[in-house]
Amino acid sequence: NAGVMQNPRHLVRRRGQEARLRCSPMKGHSHVYWYRQLPEEGLKFMVYLQKENIIDESGMPKERFSAEFPKEGPSILRIQQVVRGDSAAYFCASSPRGTEEEQYFGPGTRLTVT
Amino acid sequence: SQQGEEDPQALSIQEGENATMNCSYKTSINNLQWYRQNSGRGLVHLILIRSNEREKHSGRLRVTLDTSKKSSSLLITASRAADTASYFCATDDKAGTALIFGKGTTLSVSS
Repeated sequence: NAGVMQNPRHLVRRRGQEARLRCSPMKGHSHVYWYRQLPEEGLKFMVYLQKENIIDESGMPKERFSAEFPKEGPSILRIQQVVRGDSAAYFCASSPRGTEEEQYFGPGTRLTVT
Repeated sequence: SQQGEEDPQALSIQEGENATMNCSYKTSINNLQWYRQNSGRGLVHLILIRSNEREKHSGRLRVTLDTSKKSSSLLITASRAADTASYFCATDDKAGTALIFGKGTTLSVSS
């Protein structure tokens, strides 16, 4: 059973470009979470999705950031018009039933904005 | 906002010694979890302890939870160099839809 997969592992974008981060949850998991980690910091919750639904996006910046988890395919975190402050590691996690159970994390995507 | 805060920020010990990390949080929780992160890698789940539990063991790990003090501790016994990593506690938020992580304790175990 493959773990949570994220791609790309490293992504370099120039200011103003779009970044698209992908996450494939573990087989059988329908709950997906996105977190952002700045250097020397803990993870900050961004958004929680179930298939085709956004359950909680209270951690998402109001502009430029969006997330989806379609019926088919991976979850996508999209950052439009990236700025240097978006440089961070973005982690995806999945769980079978929600936060009452452990979350399984992917290896992360390290976004660098130049 | 509700957040786990780990203490100490950094801990350096010798192989074979025990390592204790503490976590405090602010509001009531359903559960508290501990995760490990090796440098540059994703997080690995260690233990989940529910609010009605006081202690839990997993191999060389022992976690305690004191809901009256809103605190938890993670004890790693007989540490090894491979235990070198950052350790985070995480609590569920009020809505139960997200995990709130602390800034972590960086553990360094030297041989």
